[in-house]
Amino acid sequence: EAQVTQNPRYLITVTGKKLTVTCSQNMNHEYMSWYRQDPGLGLRQIYYSMNVEVTDKGDVPEGYKVSRKEKRNFPLILESPSPNQTSLYFCASSSVPAPKTGDYEQYFGPGTRLTVT
Amino acid sequence: TQLLEQSPQFLSIQEGENLTVYCNSSSVFSSLQWYRQEPGEGPVLLVTVVTGGEVKKLKRLTFQFGDARKDSSLHITAAQPGDTGLYLCAIMKTSYDKVIFGSGTSLSVIP
Repeated sequence: EAQVTQNPRYLITVTGKKLTVTCSQNMNHEYMSWYRQDPGLGLRQIYYSMNVEVTDKGDVPEGYKVSRKEKRNFPLILESPSPNQTSLYFCASSSVPAPKTGDYEQYFGPGTRLTVT
Repeated sequence: TQLLEQSPQFLSIQEGENLTVYCNSSSVFSSLQWYRQEPGEGPVLLVTVVTGGEVKKLKRLTFQFGDARKDSSLHITAAQPGDTGLYLCAIMKTSYDKVIFGSGTSLSVIP
């Protein structure tokens, strides 16, 4: 079964305490990304990765780090979390778009609800 | 930062009615995706449109890509309560580029 898994699903932490949210996909997809979703602001891309060891900034990368050492894993790291990083986080993975139709597979994980106090 | 505007923001209709939601950008983009998201879950990809003027159908859902590739619409025929959810559009400027999402249209279909 095609799946994107995220852990943990819920996390309450304190300002400044480093944390990592893991993301793993079982579809051998090349493209993976992280989003945060906030009321009234929609989904905003944090970082994305086009392949192993290739990452790039999305629209809101400040305060986050990522790594892509293996194709299946794309962890999100918050070195020093702050309250403004309280949000719902989604990981996603995508296949390569088909050349003519542009169709591709994309799957989102179930989300991680993070609260930073 | 490129903006992607969706309208209406909220929509509440009776079961059986038709509806259209819109997604507009000021710039041309390479592809546009429509998603549906239910509360507490991740978005689910419905369709990708690539060619200007393209029309795709998914059961009672019809997706259209504007000729100039700057806008798109989603039309739902005979809406059902199961269609309730947040409908999101998203664009990539080029393949394998960063993705920009619209703020979404929250649809409620009342039985």
